[in-house]
Amino acid sequence: KAGVTQTPRYLIKTRGQQVTLSCSPISGHRSVSWYQQTPGQGLQFLFEYFSETQRNKGNFPGRFSGRQFSNSRSEMNVSTLELGDSALYLCASSLSAGLETQYFGPGTRLLVL
Amino acid sequence: AQTVTQSQPEMSVQEAETVTLSCTYDTSESDYYLFWYKQPPSRQMILVIRQEAYKQQNATENRFSVNFQKAAKSFSLKISDSQLGDAAMYFCAYRSAETSYDKVIFGPGTSLSVIP
Repeated sequence: KAGVTQTPRYLIKTRGQQVTLSCSPISGHRSVSWYQQTPGQGLQFLFEYFSETQRNKGNFPGRFSGRQFSNSRSEMNVSTLELGDSALYLCASSLSAGLETQYFGPGTRLLVL
Repeated sequence: AQTVTQSQPEMSVQEAETVTLSCTYDTSESDYYLFWYKQPPSRQMILVIRQEAYKQQNATENRFSVNFQKAAKSFSLKISDSQLGDAAMYFCAYRSAETSYDKVIFGPGTSLSVIP
């Protein structure tokens, strides 16, 4: 079974731009979570989607948004990029929301200049 | 709110030796899951081991085992017969089992080096 895939793997943007990251979960998994990983803040939860509905949201500004499609693929969008948004963005999928173990993708490394 | 603490930012171990990584957490809940994840340099995060809080028996996965002390809210990871491939960042994580859609909370991580 293929693992979690994320595209693109690397991205360079400038301040003020917007970016969309994509995540394809493991086949059969219906829950997708997004995390931001930085050296200073560690791993911080962004949001979790299950059956196209956002089930949980972390403490991030409204510039960070996401969605999930009927095939469980998910996208996250960051608008009006700031330098501090430079990070590794990780996606994780699980069979269902809540209690299931999460399996992580390789991440998208975003650099904001 | 739940918190997860890993008090050892960095650790090192000789190849073939045993090392223990510490993790403590704070919660008022009685039903939850604890995880150890491994993130090798420039590689993706993988699950090492998982422990259900209602189980008294400590989880084991080959060379990896945990010491789960529920009353002390401690969840340490023991790696036996350390191998070079064990070098990675290790994250301890907590997830509530009482709230269906609660988020996973990660500790700050411990960077493990394996010395040949």
